Amino acid sequence: GAVVSQHPSWVICKSGTSVKIECRSLDFQATTMFWYRQFPKQSLMLMATSNEGSKATYEQGVEKDKFLINHASLTLSTLTVTSAHPEDSSFYICSASLGGGRQNTGELFFGEGSRLTVL
Amino acid sequence: SQKIEQNSEALNIQEGKTATLTCNYTNYSPAYLQWYRQDPGRGPVFLLLIRENEKEKRKERLKVTFDTTLKQSLFHITASQPADSATYLCALRPNDYKLSFGAGTTVTVRA
Repeated sequence: GAVVSQHPSWVICKSGTSVKIECRSLDFQATTMFWYRQFPKQSLMLMATSNEGSKATYEQGVEKDKFLINHASLTLSTLTVTSAHPEDSSFYICSASLGGGRQNTGELFFGEGSRLTVL
Repeated sequence: SQKIEQNSEALNIQEGKTATLTCNYTNYSPAYLQWYRQDPGRGPVFLLLIRENEKEKRKERLKVTFDTTLKQSLFHITASQPADSATYLCALRPNDYKLSFGAGTTVTVRA
């Protein structure tokens, strides 16, 4: 199957700093990538849809200025958590589907996730 | 509102038995439903997809059923093994391209 790589796998930062998480599709081009957030024992919550070459589409309640998404190439999307606070501590996961988001079946290939802890 | 509910948060079974997980949904009319496996601290991994016109789908020791009348999917792990211990998520795509997930059921298989 397709491989999605996410980096870093974990990060600890001080409150007020910004953290960047990278998501790469290693063996395919992804015009669309998705960013999820997951709290312990809870479902994956879609934060935003990252579109190559255009602005990301954010879900209701997700602050676009807080979670900056850049999808500058067909294989790389980044999520930057700006001015992070302890409540931003979570597990962030990116995903992509082959050929973009509007596939016939749309199974997603996920990165390994990034555990963010804000002190 | 749209909901995806997985019947139980945790399921403990003896090795060799069959685990059955339930996924119920409301206010969706999905063309297909997907199941994923998630290990602790890892991203989900796609397992199976079943379309609305398919009643049953199998992959090795996994079996999925899809009843659009009941708005329910059942996920079976037969001849379970300790290595099957993980959280299993159902997911469906309603009218747009976004995939929505249930909260998951954590399966623990005892040796």
